[in-house]
Amino acid sequence: DAKTTQPPSMDCAEGRAANLPCNHSTISGNEYVYWYRQIHSQGPQYIIHGLKNNETNEMASLIITEDRKSSTLILPHATLRDTAVYYCIVRVPPTGYGGYQKVTFGTGTKLQVIP
Amino acid sequence: DTEVTQTPKHLVMGMTNKKSLKCEQHMGHRAMYWYKQKAKKPPELMFVYSYEKLSINESVPSRFSPECPNSSLLNLHLHALQPEDSALYLCASSQDRATGTQYFGPGTRLLVL
Repeated sequence: DAKTTQPPSMDCAEGRAANLPCNHSTISGNEYVYWYRQIHSQGPQYIIHGLKNNETNEMASLIITEDRKSSTLILPHATLRDTAVYYCIVRVPPTGYGGYQKVTFGTGTKLQVIP
Repeated sequence: DTEVTQTPKHLVMGMTNKKSLKCEQHMGHRAMYWYKQKAKKPPELMFVYSYEKLSINESVPSRFSPECPNSSLLNLHLHALQPEDSALYLCASSQDRATGTQYFGPGTRLLVL
């Protein structure tokens, strides 16, 4: 698995954009970048994923650098409910039909949204 | 419906007890997972079921015994646990085991006395 590096914690003012960085300098060409978050005492929640192009959904945007060695998750207007641990994960590509892609969580970034 | 349910929410058990954790999903997913999460640590994979068959066992001690009775249900049977097994046990499912998007349940918080 490619390793990911994230800052342990970040603060963001409510209503502002939260930009969470992730370094994955050893990522291989066919590995996807996934983001999950875990609100305190709840199960992790899938946010978004991408391979090369930038992606956007109703929750967030994912910006992947051209060399794919890093990415940024953007929450455009952070709310108090976005306070959580955010995990950046690089998926091992499947090997053969129905191959298994292990989800390995790193230590994540604890985002605190401040009123 | 993208919900994974887990029961019970909390469980306290002694080291000689036998208990079971239950997980259910009705999304038609054919892969289901058990994770263990210690306090202030990321989740760690324990087991993967694919089409009701055990696919991956991440070297989990035999005192944890998974079972997949059908495509919607996943159980984790617990026997002779140790206090260090106290943790949040998370169930997840995905369309199949090759799919990266997993849906997690709220977890069962287990305390072993």
